[in-house]
Amino acid sequence: AQSVAQPEDQVNVAEGNPLTVKCTYSVSGNPYLFWYVQYPNRGLQFLLKYITGDNLVKGSYGFEAEFNKSQTSFHLKKPSALVSDSALYFCAVSSPGTGNTPLVFGKGTRLSVIA
Amino acid sequence: GAGVSQSPSNKVTEKGKDVELRCDPISGHTALYWYRQSLGQGLEFLIYFQGNSAPDKSGLPSDRFSAERTGGSVSTLTIQRTQQEDSAVYLCASSPPAGKNIQYFGAGTRLSVL
Repeated sequence: AQSVAQPEDQVNVAEGNPLTVKCTYSVSGNPYLFWYVQYPNRGLQFLLKYITGDNLVKGSYGFEAEFNKSQTSFHLKKPSALVSDSALYFCAVSSPGTGNTPLVFGKGTRLSVIA
Repeated sequence: GAGVSQSPSNKVTEKGKDVELRCDPISGHTALYWYRQSLGQGLEFLIYFQGNSAPDKSGLPSDRFSAERTGGSVSTLTIQRTQQEDSAVYLCASSPPAGKNIQYFGAGTRLSVL
């Protein structure tokens, strides 16, 4: 069975500092990995994905994530946080297969960027 | 273009009543998913459609929950005899064919069962 862990419920960071939101996963085979962001009263917005290839994936709004197979991690990073980055972040995983399949999500990490 | 549209955005109902939640996916998207977001529970998968068929219904929490999709487009999630524990935000997502599983989400329906 697939699973995702986001060990931090809340991450606080000062504006301009680098941020990291942690994610580890468990899946058979090579995973598809995703990060989504949710702003208040909104649906989830896709940020980035890892399918195959380069372990460092770049996504929207200056975010990036690094796939680490040995540590089964896919941490989300940004070099310089903005107040507008404050939101709820979800890591998700799916098994590669013959098409689209449901995602398994972590419980989410609330990021607060303080001015 | 238009994104995934869900209606109503908010629904308040009394315990024991039936409710219908609607999802209109992005045009041309063949896969459609329903998830439930409860406070402190993250996102929970309910059911997914490929075209009009549902290969995976494993997430439906009880037989009070059902869903259908017609014409490969609009989907309706029905909850019968609602209970207070059904209160949550119900999210719908869709994916294009060969979309490498990137799912595009609607804003959700917030269901409150009194």
